[in-house]
Amino acid sequence: DQQVKQNSPSLSVQEGRISILNCDYTNSMFDYFLWYKKYPAEGPTFLISISSIKDKNEDGRFTVFLNKSAKHLSLHIVPSQPGDSAVYFCAAPTTSGTYKYIFGTGTRLKVLA
Amino acid sequence: KAGVTQTPRYLIKTRGQQVTLSCSPISGHRSVSWYQQTPGQGLQFLFEYFSETQRNKGNFPGRFSGRQFSNSRSEMNVSTLELGDSALYLCASSGGANTGELFFGEGSRLTVL
Repeated sequence: DQQVKQNSPSLSVQEGRISILNCDYTNSMFDYFLWYKKYPAEGPTFLISISSIKDKNEDGRFTVFLNKSAKHLSLHIVPSQPGDSAVYFCAAPTTSGTYKYIFGTGTRLKVLA
Repeated sequence: KAGVTQTPRYLIKTRGQQVTLSCSPISGHRSVSWYQQTPGQGLQFLFEYFSETQRNKGNFPGRFSGRQFSNSRSEMNVSTLELGDSALYLCASSGGANTGELFFGEGSRLTVL
């Protein structure tokens, strides 16, 4: 029973264009969501988060949108750069106040120069 | 501020052996979590320790165990290794009142032959 799903295993985007990575969830009780980026041979690094009481959070080129009615969130990267090529994971905490997270299976983004 | 340090980075074991992985969290962080990453499965939560106590546990068999020491350093152990245990094992630390961000180490890549 996967509570956080990333249905697109890969995505290719031209440099300068917008990258949109999607994530669906089933548990309405999640307090917030996070996005992590992972390069090969490195651990995941935190990218951006959004509280469940908001519908948008922006940080530079990265914006996360939350649609609670659809139980869907998306990460927008504008403009996309070759250095953004990585695997992106969305995650949500399963238990409030602890660090037990459910991660999606990831989307591999490739930004073409 | 030093990041999360995991040792060893790479190791090869044979079926039936056991392995111990080590994680030193960021100074001041009291929570240490462990995740297993395999292709197509994303990051699977193993367990979380806080102040030497296991606070959460994932759905892994009893062959997977862990502990945390008084200095917050953590170890995880896998006994009677199986081929399917080949994976990247990631440790993450967190601490204080924040957005719940996890700070990951670079991982320990375990190969079971």
